[in-house]
This record gives sequence, structure tokens and C-alpha cells, in this order.
Amino acid sequence: AQSVAQPEDQVNVAEGNPLTVKCTYSVSGNPYLFWYVQYPNRGLQFLLKYITGDNLVKGSYGFEAEFNKSQTSFHLKKPSALVSDSALYFCAVRTARGSSASKIIFGSGTRLSIRP
Amino acid sequence: EPEVTQTPSHQVTQMGQEVILRCVPISNHLYFYWYRQILGQKVEFLVSFYNNEISEKSEIFDDQFSVERPDGSNFTLKIRSTKLEDSAMYFCASRAEGLAGEGLSEFFGPGTRLTVL
Repeated sequence: AQSVAQPEDQVNVAEGNPLTVKCTYSVSGNPYLFWYVQYPNRGLQFLLKYITGDNLVKGSYGFEAEFNKSQTSFHLKKPSALVSDSALYFCAVRTARGSSASKIIFGSGTRLSIRP
Repeated sequence: EPEVTQTPSHQVTQMGQEVILRCVPISNHLYFYWYRQILGQKVEFLVSFYNNEISEKSEIFDDQFSVERPDGSNFTLKIRSTKLEDSAMYFCASRAEGLAGEGLSEFFGPGTRLTVL
């Protein structure tokens, strides 16, 4: 069964430092991987996705993620963190269902806290 | 930029009452979803809907839940007899169909916070 894991409940980083939010996945076949962000009392906003091609994908707000097939990982990164990046981050994978309405399943979420 | 909208933003109800949560997906999207998130926890899949029928549903989506697309624009989630444990944030999502197919991302609405007393 497809699954996605975020091993860290919380990540704390000082402003200006690089940040990494970890994600590993388990899927059959080629994965479709996503990162979403949730700010307090808000919905889920799409950040970036990996479908195929370059292993390093760039997304919104300066975030990027690296797809590593051998390690089955899709870690989210940013070179220089901002206080405004503080939010809940979800890694997600699309289940393989062919042409039907295949769903996204989410990891448990990682709370990113950036201190000034 | 097109967006998914949901109403109401907050619904308070008594246990055992019926509630209907409403969503207006993005107009050219064909795949529709409901997810829920119990406060501060994981986002859980409830149901997917395509071509006017349920495509898949989770174990959470029992006989108390139903979905409908009554008029080609709205997409509703009904809970017939709410329980305390139904208190959560409910997110509607939609996705387009295209050459990228399942490579496209879902667009999520802002959510409806359901509180069951």
C-alpha cells in the first residue's frame, strides 16, 4: 500500500539558515509527489510537485525539493529560512489509480518554526 | 486566479443533527474530493468523485456520509447524524483532467470547521 512518512513532528531553524523538512514514501510504480503548506487557520496551499524529469524541483516562496529514488525520499528545502515560513508542511503522494480519481494521501505533517 | 470556495467557514451543530457542507470547485475541474483534518492532525481522505459517481471512499466514509453534485457547480458533503468525533476541518478539493493527468495537483478550499456539541 502507498504511504508517506514525515519523521519529524517539529523542525526549528533560525532565520537565515537553511532548512530541510524530511519525507519518505512507499509506492508501487512511479511516484507523483507533492508538498503542501498550511498556515494557521488556513487551507492547504500547493508548494511544488515531482512528476518526472529533474530530481530537483522548484516551487513557491523559494522552496525546492529533491527526489531521491534510491532513498525513496522527497525532502523539502530552502536555502535561507524566513520567519514567515513558519507553518505546517505536508508531504503527499498520489496513489496510482490509472484514469480514475486517484487520491492524494498525506504524511502526518511537520511543524516548521523559524525563530528570528 | 481560480479557487475552490467552501461554505460555511464554521458550522456548529448538536450531536445527532444533519449538516451539509458546501463546496464550489474550480469550474473546469472534473475530479472532486473531500478530506478532513482533526485539529492539528493528519489530513485524511474521505471520498473522491468523478463522472457523477463516487470513485473511492475511505473507511471513515460510512453510511452517515454522502456526497452530491446537484447542479453541475456545487459539490456537497452531507453528514446525516453527526457524532462528537466528526468535529474537524473539512476540506474540499478539485483537480483538472488533462494531458498531465494525475500529475496535476489538487486545489484545496479554505475548509469548513465543523464543531459537534
